[in-house]
Amino acid sequence: SQTIHQWPATLVQPVGSPLSLECTVEGTSNPNLYWYRQAAGRGLQLLFYSVGIGQISSEVPQNLSASRPQDRQFILSSKKLLLSDSGFYLCAWSVQRSHNEQFFGPGTRLTVL
Amino acid sequence: AQRVTQPEKLLSVFKGAPVELKCNYSYSGSPELFWYVQYSRQRLQLLLRHISRESIKGFTADLNKGETSFHLKKPFAQEEDSAMYYCALKRPATDKLIFGTGTRLQVFP
Repeated sequence: SQTIHQWPATLVQPVGSPLSLECTVEGTSNPNLYWYRQAAGRGLQLLFYSVGIGQISSEVPQNLSASRPQDRQFILSSKKLLLSDSGFYLCAWSVQRSHNEQFFGPGTRLTVL
Repeated sequence: AQRVTQPEKLLSVFKGAPVELKCNYSYSGSPELFWYVQYSRQRLQLLLRHISRESIKGFTADLNKGETSFHLKKPFAQEEDSAMYYCALKRPATDKLIFGTGTRLQVFP
């Protein structure tokens, strides 16, 4: 069966520090991968979307970047965190060209101080 | 531009009462719509999708193209239905979803 992992579960970082959040999927190949930020009152905002290795689509201008070095690995990064980067980050995957059920990871709570 | 609107941030009902969580969308073509749910301390997961015309955990949602709505309904709410509910619209010609801002449902005993 397919599973999706995210780590760390929680992270507290100072302003200006780098960031690396990792997401991995098991039990499937060539998935679509997604990074979302979930904020109270703002719902889920799609940040990045990937259909394959090295193929990243950025949905909103921001201080963050994403990479997909392997088929089932998706990384969210920042060189210098801002206070506004605090939030709950969700990774998700879906089968390509399907009726698009997305399967979500457990999320990472990021607090930037 | 495609958009999903969930006008209620919080909906509180008593057990056994009917529930309707509102969702309106803006899209000129044939939409594909979904409801996702997040229970306390659990992952966000798909509840139902309109193309399946299914009833899951007693919930149904009917697509009304005239009113551009996809409201989620249940005739008798249960305490275990308490959760955050998100309506989502699939962007045409992509695998991306546009989510609403979510409605928190609280069912009191």
